Amino acid sequence: DSGVTQTPKHLITATGQRVTLRCSPRSGDLSVYWYQQSLDQGLQFLIQYYNGEERAKGNILERFSAQQFPDLHSELNLSSLELGDSALYFCASSVEASGNGEQYFGPGTRLTVT
Amino acid sequence: GENVEQHPSTLSVQEGDSAVIKCTYSDSASNYFPWYKQELGKGPQLIIDIRSNVGEKKDQRIAVTLNKTAKHFSLHITETQPEDSAVYFCAASDQTGANNLFFGTGTRLTVIP
Repeated sequence: DSGVTQTPKHLITATGQRVTLRCSPRSGDLSVYWYQQSLDQGLQFLIQYYNGEERAKGNILERFSAQQFPDLHSELNLSSLELGDSALYFCASSVEASGNGEQYFGPGTRLTVT
Repeated sequence: GENVEQHPSTLSVQEGDSAVIKCTYSDSASNYFPWYKQELGKGPQLIIDIRSNVGEKKDQRIAVTLNKTAKHFSLHITETQPEDSAVYFCAASDQTGANNLFFGTGTRLTVIP
């Protein structure tokens, strides 16, 4: 167990809908990262937050957004969902914002868009 | 951005044999290289990492080597056991000041009892 928690574990929704995925980092970690894992794209970095502030953006679609709250948990919002958004979404946390800190992954949320 | 290539995509070994997975990266400025193990239905688990000031690191049956000149790094698992069966991912850090990982495409390791 990495200490990173994610809810829900599974999510099934229809195209055009909006969902929110939640992540709680390990105790003491200030940085949260979101990754998408799909069969054809592998593990792709989406976005990073550090202590409430957006730190870096990767291949995140404009339909997706995230935030990190004062208690350091983070939410990833996915809107206008398309079939291609079906994937595993992982969050990871680390103590540091940069400098190659170790990242620990949560168990993921499996999103199915029908 | 960083591009990480990983080989092989699948690997089958007999229990007790060694397994080697290789990765190359494109950004010579990258200096952090973690390896993750992902079991079915679980998130990636950090198993070992190496930083560019070190050429080799070992942790029990697992070792990682790094060749910065050639821009490649490898994972070595000795005395493989059935519980080593999983998908293994290599990664390299982004050097834009953040700590974002670029992952290889994964190697599915099967250890045959």
